Amino acid sequence: QSVLNQPPSASGTPGQRVTISCSGSSSNIGSNNVYWYQQLPGTAPKLLIYGNNQRPSGVPDRFSGSKSGTSASLAISGLRSEDEGDYYCAAWDDSLSGPVFGGGTKLTVL
Amino acid sequence: EVQLVESGGGLVKPGGSLRLSCAASGFTFINAWMTWVRQAPGKGLEWVGRIKSKTDGGATDYAAPVKGRFTISRDDSKNTLYLQMNSLKTEDTAVYYCTKVHCSGGNCYSLYFDYWGQGTLVTVSS
Repeated sequence: QSVLNQPPSASGTPGQRVTISCSGSSSNIGSNNVYWYQQLPGTAPKLLIYGNNQRPSGVPDRFSGSKSGTSASLAISGLRSEDEGDYYCAAWDDSLSGPVFGGGTKLTVL
Repeated sequence: EVQLVESGGGLVKPGGSLRLSCAASGFTFINAWMTWVRQAPGKGLEWVGRIKSKTDGGATDYAAPVKGRFTISRDDSKNTLYLQMNSLKTEDTAVYYCTKVHCSGGNCYSLYFDYWGQGTLVTVSS
């Protein structure tokens, strides 16, 4: 059971907009920044979003993040087949004194 | 080009030990904070622990499931990060990734992993 809760799966057709949610508590998302990682099949994870809504250089602006209270969301617009993979949210947890991840959401592009 | 190359994974019996290495290149390793993140087969990501740079005190932090059994260390002269794993359990079976923590303007961001290795598989089984 992960500390941060994500839906196990999400799907969309090419060109659509998809959102992935991540819910936590006051000790993690509620008081710390949220990060999002993308893991494409057979590869190491890659940072997509840091500081709730900031994109590292090289990440397309099709990816955006937001946070409200103890929940966060990742939105992917203009969905492409190459976006298919697993997406993880993460945040520091003050109670555990360490980072925690969501269980991951498997995105399927239909 | 930044490269992180893990090695040392393999099959070990419950209760056994294993040491993983991560050879780093393409950045100033001595100034870097480094972490280990693992992923059990078919499961999600789990933070294992972190080591700060010696200039920032060199402190280590560990996740609760591995505290007291795993030790993270570094050899800055060899640009190498280590993970010593003792008293291994079946639930430690995972791919172990070495990651570099992003630091900017004198601050390091503990969850901003800007580079990852390819991972090394550790299997704990009798």
